[in-house]
Amino acid sequence: GENVEQHPSTLSVQEGDSAVIKCTYSDSASNYFPWYKQELGKGPQLIIDIRSNVGEKKDQRIAVTLNKTAKHFSLHITETQPEDSAVYFCAASRGAGSARQLTFGSGTQLTVLP
Amino acid sequence: NAGVTQTPKFRVLKTGQSMTLLCAQDMNHEYMYWYRQDPGMGLRLIHYSVGEGTTAKGEVPDGYNVSRLKKQNFLLGLESAAPSQTSVYFCASSYAEEGSSYNEQFFGPGTRLTVL
Repeated sequence: GENVEQHPSTLSVQEGDSAVIKCTYSDSASNYFPWYKQELGKGPQLIIDIRSNVGEKKDQRIAVTLNKTAKHFSLHITETQPEDSAVYFCAASRGAGSARQLTFGSGTQLTVLP
Repeated sequence: NAGVTQTPKFRVLKTGQSMTLLCAQDMNHEYMYWYRQDPGMGLRLIHYSVGEGTTAKGEVPDGYNVSRLKKQNFLLGLESAAPSQTSVYFCASSYAEEGSSYNEQFFGPGTRLTVL
């Protein structure tokens, strides 16, 4: 089955700096890579996703890059703000036309210091 | 819209007891999922359903049963709880999009279960 590794497990940045979280996956057939943000006491919420047919996607201060050859993808947050502090999870899945069985990374606790 | 709701929010069980976790969604989603979240391990899929009356096993199904009698509800049952089932349980749901291969999963707020 799929295995997703996520690094680092904790990350502290100064407000205004950039943050980068990296994930690697094992199944070359995986074709969908979402990123979820989980605030304390809440369920995860999708913040951005990327399909295997594109190499980069950007949404305001958030961007995701995908390297299919190396089987890794990364989340980039620019101009970080205190409200970006949360746990971030990457995930991967394969298949099409049916329920997505996501395999999640172990999470990164991001702390943005004021 | 309430989105995805879960009942109860917290529960403490003794080993061997049984219980049912309820998930409800009001978004008319076809697909529903149950995950467990343990420290340092992310979320792992327990069971999922692609429609009313259908269920399938995920990554960690042992010790759990599920039922989807109504489209909006997905129940997770523990027949004989064990300490290893102490975890936070999340339900999620998603659309089955015509002509699309991908769908966002919307998560509920979670149920924190402790088995003593």
